[in-house]
Parts: sequence; structure tokens; C-alpha cells
Amino acid sequence: QSALTQPASVSGSPGQSTTISCTGASSDIGGYNLVSWYQQHPGKVPKLIIYQVTKRPSGVSDRFSGSKSGYTASLTISGLQAEDEADYYCSSYAGSTTYVLFGGGTKLTVL
Amino acid sequence: QVQLVQSGAEVKRPGSSVTVSCKASGGTVNTFTFNWLRQAPGQGLEWMGRIISTLPVTHYAPDFQGRLTITADTSTGTTTMALIRLRSEDTALYYCATEKYDDAFDLWGQGTMVTVSS
Repeated sequence: QSALTQPASVSGSPGQSTTISCTGASSDIGGYNLVSWYQQHPGKVPKLIIYQVTKRPSGVSDRFSGSKSGYTASLTISGLQAEDEADYYCSSYAGSTTYVLFGGGTKLTVL
Repeated sequence: QVQLVQSGAEVKRPGSSVTVSCKASGGTVNTFTFNWLRQAPGQGLEWMGRIISTLPVTHYAPDFQGRLTITADTSTGTTTMALIRLRSEDTALYYCATEKYDDAFDLWGQGTMVTVSS
């Protein structure tokens, strides 16, 4: 099964909002509300920022929000800050054979 | 505060095997589901498999079936990943991670670099 599809890069200015998409299929994103998003700064361990499509773990800023429509999930970051510059990965449950798929990652640049 | 501490870096020859361990401490470790993921240099994340320690049951990604074995010792809170028939494409940073929410990985080890080279 193919990986989920993310744009290679997005950018935005401080204070603006930006959205990262993650496109899958009926067998993964479209079939389950089990989409997660991770933030990874260079040389650092990934950090979970969204789970079950829309939920934020304790301690994650409410500037991060998730949504899903059909086969596409989205991560929106509002009020962009310099510290948000990182790689972002989506993942989804993909059934009892494949289990978990990741997107290829999106590099966010804060201009 | 639960932490995951992984074993050190490994250098292996093609065709050989590698074992990486991950020890959890500071929490109710015997209830954990441990996952293993990897990230090749400059590349994205790839989920490899997991073990539900309380059952125990393992799930493996199709690409790793037959080459990957994940075990766990609930008494010590340790999980081990063994990958056989290594090839250069297995060169990556290997992570263990717990799964507090279904299929979402909330706590990660520091990563273990495995280099496969002749």
C-alpha cells in the first residue's frame, strides 16, 4: 500500500495561518478516524501534536488543529511562529494488514 | 515521568542481523504497546511493527514480514527489535515508541542508528 501524500513544502509568514494536507484512500484516511500528525525539528525526535484527527495531547498549543474530509486530512497551524519551522508528518491506521501508513513529510518554512 | 532508552549505534554487514533494545522506566510499563519505526537519512518516517505487551500480540508492516521480530519483557519494561538479512537500504535511525492513543505514538526513544555497509 502506498504512503500517504503530502506536499513537500509549505511556507508562511509569522502570524499567518498555513495548512498541510495529507491525502490517502478509502482504506486508510477515508475509512478510519485515526489520523495523527507529528512535528520533527532537525536532529530531534518526532513529537505527536494531533491524534484521532482533531485531538491534541496535553501541552500541545491550540494553534495546531486537525481536520478530515473524505480521503484528505489537514493540519492547520495558526499564528505562525519561528519555532513552528519543522518537518510535519501525517499518519493513519490502514486496516489489519497494513496497520499504519505515514506521509512523506512536509517541510514548513516560516518566512 | 516515563522514558524510553534505546541501545547504542550498530554497524552491520549486508546479510547479517541486528538487535535493538528499548527500556521503559517510570510508569506502568507492563501495559505498554511498543512500536518500532525507522527513518532513513534525510527521509520520512516508516512504521515497522508493534507488540501489545499484555497479550502478547505482534503486528508487522507487510514490508517487514519474515524479516522482523519484536519481543517484549513486561517484567523489565523492555522491548527488542530484531531485523535479519540486512541490506544497505536498512541504514536508518530506528525508534521505539509507545502508543497511548490508538495508532498514535506519544512517547519516543532517542533513536538508534543502524548502518549497513560492506
